[in-house]
Amino acid sequence: EAQVTQNPRYLITVTGKKLTVTCSQNMNHEYMSWYRQDPGLGLRQIYYSMNVEVTDKGDVPEGYKVSRKEKRNFPLILESPSPNQTSLYFCASSSPRFGGPDSYGYTFGSGTRLTVV
Amino acid sequence: AQSVTQLGSHVSVSEGALVLLRCNYSSSVPPYLFWYVQYPNQGLQLLLKYTSAATLVKGINGFEAEFKKSETSFHLTKPSAHMSDAAEYFCAVSPTKAQKLVFGQGTRLTINP
Repeated sequence: EAQVTQNPRYLITVTGKKLTVTCSQNMNHEYMSWYRQDPGLGLRQIYYSMNVEVTDKGDVPEGYKVSRKEKRNFPLILESPSPNQTSLYFCASSSPRFGGPDSYGYTFGSGTRLTVV
Repeated sequence: AQSVTQLGSHVSVSEGALVLLRCNYSSSVPPYLFWYVQYPNQGLQLLLKYTSAATLVKGINGFEAEFKKSETSFHLTKPSAHMSDAAEYFCAVSPTKAQKLVFGQGTRLTINP
């Protein structure tokens, strides 16, 4: 089954304790992206990657890091989490290839609800 | 820069009534437009997408949307609401092929019995 898998689904952590949220896709997609969802703000892009070793900042990158060493994986790293990073996080992947059922749209993971206390 | 405005953070309709969720976009280039649905405690699911083909786009679950360039709108409709349609709906715009999605703030749809 074509999917984007995020782990963990739920995470409660303390301020300053480094954490990593993993994301993996099995569709051979070139593009991957991280979003955070906050009430009244919709989804905002944190970082994106156009391919292996190619990453760039989105709209709200402060406090986050990413890496893309393999095509299928795109982990999100919070080096020193703070309470304002409490949010619902989504990983998504996409392909620019024309014509396929997955073209021009992202496939989203199920989300990671992070609470920083 | 691209942006999306969804009119109404909450919409409530009766079961069997017309559903209309409004979305206006701004884009300096011809956009790709999307509607996503999010059911409680789930990720986002693609409802439909406009990619410069037919202006009336049909999606899953009986939803459709019409791209109106003159009005910079991409409103989502469904002729007859069902209880299972209760969810949050997001409109999104992308200036290029799937590179970046810019989302609206979302509209929560409630269906009254």
